[in-house]
Amino acid sequence: NAGVTQTPKFRILKIGQSMTLQCTQDMNHNYMYWYRQDPGMGLKLIYYSVGAGITDKGEVPNGYNVSRSTTEDFPLRLELAAPSQTSVYFCASSPVRSGPSYEQYFGPGTRLTVT
Amino acid sequence: AQRVTQPEKLLSVFKGAPVELKCNYSYSGSPELFWYVQYSRQRLQLLLRHISRESIKGFTADLNKGETSFHLKKPFAQEEDSAMYYCALRNAGNMLTFGGGTRLMVKP
Repeated sequence: NAGVTQTPKFRILKIGQSMTLQCTQDMNHNYMYWYRQDPGMGLKLIYYSVGAGITDKGEVPNGYNVSRSTTEDFPLRLELAAPSQTSVYFCASSPVRSGPSYEQYFGPGTRLTVT
Repeated sequence: AQRVTQPEKLLSVFKGAPVELKCNYSYSGSPELFWYVQYSRQRLQLLLRHISRESIKGFTADLNKGETSFHLKKPFAQEEDSAMYYCALRNAGNMLTFGGGTRLMVKP
């Protein structure tokens, strides 16, 4: 199992450009999440999904869009990149909603710089 | 609104010394708390969860509802414990709120 994979690892964007951050998991997890982590700060939830075709906003959704057409993939779209979106982006997945085995599995992250 | 606070950005100790990484939370419901760890060049991973009352790699954490704390402790730190540690709280909506993290450095 590769677990949660993210591409690209690094990216530099100019202001106003668009891009898609890819996230794929091969664990057949229903729940997937996108976080951003600014320097010296904790992770903040951008969007999440409870299954294919279902997405919802997290704490900081502005400037982003997501889709979930398959169980495996959960891409994050930035339409008009702004310097405030410079951050490290993490994708995560979990197999269950709650209970003693609840755990989120994280990808390696994508470091995005917008200049 | 829920919040997780880790007051120390950096904690530096010598090998063999006790370690306590502090975590305080605010949440109106029944909290479910976790510690996640990120070792150098590795991805973020679960260290332990309060509901399991487990000890992982010598680390323990007790939920203190009166003090709204979930501090992470280890009696004798090892160099391989050096990492970023994040405290996280899960709410009823299945969202995780993370603290700002504490970098633990264990010196030889």
